Amino acid sequence: ETGVTQTPRHLVMGMTNKKSLKCEQHLGHNAMYWYKQSAKKPLELMFVYSLEERVENNSVPSRFSPECPNSSHLFLHLHTLQPEDSALYLCASSQIAPRQGNTEAFFGQGTRLTVV
Amino acid sequence: ILNVEQSPQSLHVQEGDSTNFTCSFPSSNFYALHWYRWETAKSPEALFVMTLNGDEKKKGRISATLNTKEGYSYLYIKGSQPEDSATYLCAFNNAGNMLTFGGGTRLMVKP
Repeated sequence: ETGVTQTPRHLVMGMTNKKSLKCEQHLGHNAMYWYKQSAKKPLELMFVYSLEERVENNSVPSRFSPECPNSSHLFLHLHTLQPEDSALYLCASSQIAPRQGNTEAFFGQGTRLTVV
Repeated sequence: ILNVEQSPQSLHVQEGDSTNFTCSFPSSNFYALHWYRWETAKSPEALFVMTLNGDEKKKGRISATLNTKEGYSYLYIKGSQPEDSATYLCAFNNAGNMLTFGGGTRLMVKP
């Protein structure tokens, strides 16, 4: 148990479905991240919410939409996904001190997404 | 998106061998370099967070060094054991507060 909880653990969805991934952290951190792990590819940073700002990887398609209602909760809304979006989606959190960088990141167990 | 590279991509060693692998990262806007260990079916877990040029950190048989001027870090494992088999990830923390990961080195230790 790392203090970061992701649900669901597994998700199978059709290309016309809309679903959401949820992440919750109980560590009091002020930054949360979505990463994507595709087969045989590096962990890819999708979105960061830190210090009330959002940073995004410009290569992430608009069919992925993040939401961070507060510092403890992070969502990834999915709509009209493609089969190539099938991957492991990892949420992480860390503490950022201005001009001092991040503490170590704590990861959730991930959501294994399959798009059919 | 920043370029963080790890080599080799995979490595097979015999139990008892010592081994090392490399992480290279941009040498500008450096805040920290993180190392993580990712075992199959588990979440990545932090090994080290290194912030100063010349830093050396150690945890049991695993140690790491940092050179921020030339943009590289080495991870060493002394006397590898089968339980060390995992993917080892480095992550570069820049002034923009992003954590950008390398592709990882997958280590397999044969008994």
